[in-house]
Amino acid sequence: DTAVSQTPKYLVTQMGNDKSIKCEQNLGHDTMYWYKQDSKKFLKIMFSYNNKELIINETVPNRFSPKSPDKAHLNLHINSLELGDSAVYFCASSQHGAKNIQYFGAGTRLSVL
Amino acid sequence: DQQVKQNSPSLSVQEGRISILNCDYTNSMFDYFLWYKKYPAEGPTFLISISSIKDKNEDGRFTVFLNKSAKHLSLHIVPSQPGDSAVYFCAAGGSNYKLTFGKGTLLTVNP
Repeated sequence: DTAVSQTPKYLVTQMGNDKSIKCEQNLGHDTMYWYKQDSKKFLKIMFSYNNKELIINETVPNRFSPKSPDKAHLNLHINSLELGDSAVYFCASSQHGAKNIQYFGAGTRLSVL
Repeated sequence: DQQVKQNSPSLSVQEGRISILNCDYTNSMFDYFLWYKKYPAEGPTFLISISSIKDKNEDGRFTVFLNKSAKHLSLHIVPSQPGDSAVYFCAAGGSNYKLTFGKGTLLTVNP
């Protein structure tokens, strides 16, 4: 039973399209995150929600919009996809006060053609 | 500006020997440090952590050492096993939930 699950695992799309990545966690955590791992392999935080409230919003183009319908879900919508958006996107979750131990999903590999 | 640095992109060791992975950080506000392990096509998996008030934490074959004055931490794996072959990420956190990751070190354990 997967703790943090992301769908889809692979996403291939054309420039200019709009796409969404979904994330769900069944750990009962109250904080969720989106990370981007680019071609240089750095894992960088993009967004974080705690109890459906945005608490981290790094310098990310406003084409990226996170949506948290409830504590167990954090989706990422990307408008007008660009070549540079190609990366692996990881969702993670943690429990408030758990000293930042974050649990990650398997990742979504996005390829923009 | 890389606040967490893993200067060795790769490390190769023999099975049964010790693996030592290193990590340096620059931000004095970090008060919690973690190591994650990542296999290809999977997400990072939490391995071990250490608080800034400690200098050592041990969990089975894995030990993390923290030298605050040098802003340096290391992960020791002993004995190393072929299944330990993976990318190891060092991460640092503070009070704002944000984790800053290093670039990772690819560990290969040869049988």
